[in-house]
Amino acid sequence: GAGVSQSPSNKVTEKGKDVELRCDPISGHTALYWYRQSLGQGLEFLIYFQGNSAPDKSGLPSDRFSAERTGGSVSTLTIQRTQQEDSAVYLCASSLVGGGEKLFFGSGTQLSVL
Amino acid sequence: SQKIEQNSEALNIQEGKTATLTCNYTNYSPAYLQWYRQDPGRGPVFLLLIRENEKEKRKERLKVTFDTTLKQSLFHITASQPADSATYLCGHASGGSYIPTFGRGTSLIVHP
Repeated sequence: GAGVSQSPSNKVTEKGKDVELRCDPISGHTALYWYRQSLGQGLEFLIYFQGNSAPDKSGLPSDRFSAERTGGSVSTLTIQRTQQEDSAVYLCASSLVGGGEKLFFGSGTQLSVL
Repeated sequence: SQKIEQNSEALNIQEGKTATLTCNYTNYSPAYLQWYRQDPGRGPVFLLLIRENEKEKRKERLKVTFDTTLKQSLFHITASQPADSATYLCGHASGGSYIPTFGRGTSLIVHP
């Protein structure tokens, strides 16, 4: 079956521009996570959606970052006024239920801010 | 806050040997630990999960242990193959949080 799909796979943008990153989770998965991974670094949590509950935004690094999940399925991560330090791989993951167990990750979006 | 620590140095071993990777955590014991494999340019792939009340879990050539006294999980790959070369991540969620945190991962290189 289809896994977690992320688009675009690569995004190059200029400093100050806005970008949108998309995530299509596995159908039926209620939990959705966004992480960021910089070169040689671990996974940095950004935001968590679980069903119809209010998202946990505690990992968002600044108010330039926002995310939404429409209809309990597709999610979009938006970064406004991008900065060079935003350059990283943005990974989306979904799981059948919450609890943080057995996450299925997409291949990520490589974001490069020039 | 809880931290997950993995050896940042790459582990180099010969094909056929057993690879052992270490994951240490600080503070309180997590409800579970889980291990993922990550290949370059790809997202992590779930391998195994072991719960606090389990000592050991196996899956084919993989074995995971959980020692709450040492605050440590060991991940073993027996009869290692060059195809096992990848970065292995340890992660957990605990303290009532549903958000997994991960170590930086350990790179495993299996030489033919």
